[in-house]
Amino acid sequence: DGGITQSPKYLFRKEGQNVTLSCEQNLNHDAMYWYRQDPGQGLRLIYYSQIVNDFQKGDIAEGYSVSREKKESFPLTVTSAQKNPTAFYLCASSTRLPGQGETQYFGPGTRLLVL
Amino acid sequence: AQSVSQHNHHVILSEAASLELGCNYSYGGTVNLFWYVQYPGQHLQLLLKYFSGDPLVKGIKGFEAEFIKSKFSFNLRKPSVQWSDTAEYFCAVNGWAGNQFYFGTGTSLTVIP
Repeated sequence: DGGITQSPKYLFRKEGQNVTLSCEQNLNHDAMYWYRQDPGQGLRLIYYSQIVNDFQKGDIAEGYSVSREKKESFPLTVTSAQKNPTAFYLCASSTRLPGQGETQYFGPGTRLLVL
Repeated sequence: AQSVSQHNHHVILSEAASLELGCNYSYGGTVNLFWYVQYPGQHLQLLLKYFSGDPLVKGIKGFEAEFIKSKFSFNLRKPSVQWSDTAEYFCAVNGWAGNQFYFGTGTSLTVIP
C-alpha cells in the first residue's frame, strides 16, 4: 500500500522532555510537511522540506526541529522549548502532477499530550 | 503573505438540505485551490482541487466548488447533504511558484438525520 504513516498514534511527554514524531512516506514525493492542528485554528505549518537535506521553517517553528536525511522520512522533534506542545500533529507530502501543480496528501496524525 | 478565510465555523444542517461553505483567499498571483475533509477519527482527505480551466470543479461524494477569481473565492457546495457528510472541512491555497500551502481554520459541519 502506498501512503504516509505516522507513529505513534498517541504520545505522552513529560515536562522538559524532548520527543520525536515519526513520518514515513512511500509515495516517492519530494516535498514533506509538518502541521499542528489545534481546535478552531486549522492547520498551522511548522516545517517543510522540498528536498533531501533541506528544510524551511513554517509559521510556528519555535520549539520544534526536523531532519530530512532520507527522501521517505521527515521526523519532527518537539523540544522542551515548546511551551504548549499538546496538539494533533499532521505530516503530509506533496507531488507536482503534470499540468496541475502541487497536491498534498496527509498521514493519520499523532496526538501529543503533555503530562 | 497568503491567507485563507473560512467564514463559517460551525454549520448544522438537516439531511437533504443544501450546503455552501465559504472560502476566500488573499494572494495576487496564480493559485491552486483545494478542499480537504476530515471525517471523525480519520485523516485529512482531498475532496477536490482547482488548478486551471473550468472554474466549476467537481469532486468526490457529490461535492463541487466554484473558483471566482474576481472575488478571490472558492466556495464548496453540495445540493443535498447526508448524515455521512458530518466532518470538518478545510480550504487550502497553494501558490503556483512554491510548495507552501495555506489552510483556513476549518468549518465543522454537523448533519442531523
